[in-house]
Amino acid sequence: DVKVTQSSRYLVKRTGEKVFLECVQDMDHENMFWYRQDPGLGLRLIYFSYDVKMKEKGDIPEGYSVSREKKERFSLILESASTNQTSMYLCASSFNWDLYGYTFGSGTRLTVV
Amino acid sequence: AQSVTQLDSHVSVSEGTPVLLRCNYSSSYSPSLFWYVQHPNKGLQLLLKYTSAATLVKGINGFEAEFKKSETSFHLTKPSAHMSDAAEYFCVVSDWEYGNKLVFGAGTILRVKS
Repeated sequence: DVKVTQSSRYLVKRTGEKVFLECVQDMDHENMFWYRQDPGLGLRLIYFSYDVKMKEKGDIPEGYSVSREKKERFSLILESASTNQTSMYLCASSFNWDLYGYTFGSGTRLTVV
Repeated sequence: AQSVTQLDSHVSVSEGTPVLLRCNYSSSYSPSLFWYVQHPNKGLQLLLKYTSAATLVKGINGFEAEFKKSETSFHLTKPSAHMSDAAEYFCVVSDWEYGNKLVFGAGTILRVKS
């Protein structure tokens, strides 16, 4: 089974800090995605990547950046954390989403104080 | 236009009774459709998928869904609810019309009463 691992389940950071959320997958998938999930707003796509060093903006990229230096790792960066970035962050990967969908990590619940 | 609509934000059933979670999609072509489940503070897990093969799709934990093109629906059902089914469920569509990614519905929270 494909495994998508998010390095932290819970994080608490201070306003203004630079925050790194790490995601690693073990099945050589080209495609990786970052979502945030908030009550009443569902899943919203932040960034995605189709290959190493490639990135595409999703629906809500403001305040975020990403890094994909290696195929298996896709990092989400909050340049200067703010309280409105308190959320559940979900990473996913896929080989062919049309046939197989996405495989999700367990999520990171980030609180910015 | 909304590409996938989950018709109920909350559904409540008693343990042992049937479950019906409703999903409609909009697509000009033949989409791929998925249902995911998310238990509290967990990631999303794939329940089942339709990818243009059999229209009645069986998934894990006794769930199934039927693709009805004429009704543009992909409702999720289970004959008998279990307490462990309490979770949030997402209907998801993949279609080239929406670009190279999946599109998620807003989610339906299923509550199971004892």
